Amino acid sequence: GDSVTQMEGPVTLSEEAFLTINCTYTATGYPSLFWYVQYPGEGLQLLLKATKADDKGSNKGFEATYRKETTSFHLEKGSVQVSDSAVYFCALRNSGNTPLVFGKGTRLSVIA
Amino acid sequence: GEEVAQTPKHLVRGEGQKAKLYCAPIKGHSYVFWYQQVLKNEFKFLISFQNENVFDETGMPKERFSAKCLPNSPCSLEIQATKLEDSAVYFCASSQFRDNEQFFGPGTRLTVL
Repeated sequence: GDSVTQMEGPVTLSEEAFLTINCTYTATGYPSLFWYVQYPGEGLQLLLKATKADDKGSNKGFEATYRKETTSFHLEKGSVQVSDSAVYFCALRNSGNTPLVFGKGTRLSVIA
Repeated sequence: GEEVAQTPKHLVRGEGQKAKLYCAPIKGHSYVFWYQQVLKNEFKFLISFQNENVFDETGMPKERFSAKCLPNSPCSLEIQATKLEDSAVYFCASSQFRDNEQFFGPGTRLTVL
């Protein structure tokens, strides 16, 4: 079945450091790819998405590019802030199959 | 409403007791999804509805879990005879159309003692 693998956390960075959270997927067909963020004590918020190969999703300084050849959707941000501390989930949704399939989440802690 | 609403925020049950969780999707959204987030952050899809009809129930533990979405009422997820392993945060999400973005509610934390 479809699956998402993302790097194990926790990831601890200093403010203004560069962030990469790796995500790879296995899916039949042509899935849409997502990054969700969960701040402490809150629900999931969609951070960005990409629906086809080579699409780049971006939001709040975060970006990720849909790479079909490497089945990857790595999340990057050039300069993290303390407020970015959260758990980040990579997810996919295969066309014609509506449930989201999530990775296990990566906890990011940014220290001042 | 403009947000997915879930009640209660927290629910504590003794093992064997019943638990019932509620979800009000965003007005105008036809699809409702239930997910279970267990320890270690893992998400598991449970069930989805298209209006009041079950759309996909491949993730539902059939024996003790049931769910409904009735017209003009919040959707509900019910667990009969809860077990310790049912302790989790249960998220509801809604979308306008089948392949549209899913908007998540704040979740209900169920603790089974």
